[in-house]
Amino acid sequence: EAQVTQNPRYLITVTGKKLTVTCSQNMNHEYMSWYRQDPGLGLRQIYYSMNVEVTDKGDVPEGYKVSRKEKRNFPLILESPSPNQTSLYFCAAGAYEQYFGPGTRLTVT
Amino acid sequence: SQQGEEDPQALSIQEGENATMNCSYKTSINNLQWYRQNSGRGLVHLILIRSNEREKHSGRLRVTLDTSKKSSSLLITASRAADTASYFCATDVSGANNLFFGTGTRLTVIP
Repeated sequence: EAQVTQNPRYLITVTGKKLTVTCSQNMNHEYMSWYRQDPGLGLRQIYYSMNVEVTDKGDVPEGYKVSRKEKRNFPLILESPSPNQTSLYFCAAGAYEQYFGPGTRLTVT
Repeated sequence: SQQGEEDPQALSIQEGENATMNCSYKTSINNLQWYRQNSGRGLVHLILIRSNEREKHSGRLRVTLDTSKKSSSLLITASRAADTASYFCATDVSGANNLFFGTGTRLTVIP
């Protein structure tokens, strides 16, 4: 079954404590991306990756890092989270038709 | 921002009626896509229409695209309670899969 998985699904953390949200896909897609979803703002792209070792900034990259060392994984790293990064995060994979993960609800206090 | 805007923001209809949602965007596009999201869950791809297409069908879905007006519409015919969800349009400007999403239309279908 085609799948994009994210972990954790829910996370409450404190300001400044580094965290990583993992994303993995089993569809061998070259393209992957991260979005955040906030009420009234829709989904905004954070970073995307066209292939292994190829990443680029999306609309709202500040405060985030990504890496793409292997095709199936695309982790999102928050080096020093702040309360304005409290959001619902989605990873997606695929070209033209993007498959979305189930989401990670992050709260930064 | 190249973000699309959906209209209306919310729509409530009776089961069996048709639902129409509109999307307007700002720049030229390679393609436009529609996604559905059930509350708090991941988005599900519904349909893609390319810039050189004017209309596309998939089951009960009909999408139109007017590039001169920079607008698209999604029609869901014979709606069902299970169609209750938020619907988003997303524009792909370059064809490189970098999608810009609108803020969505919240559809409620009353049984």
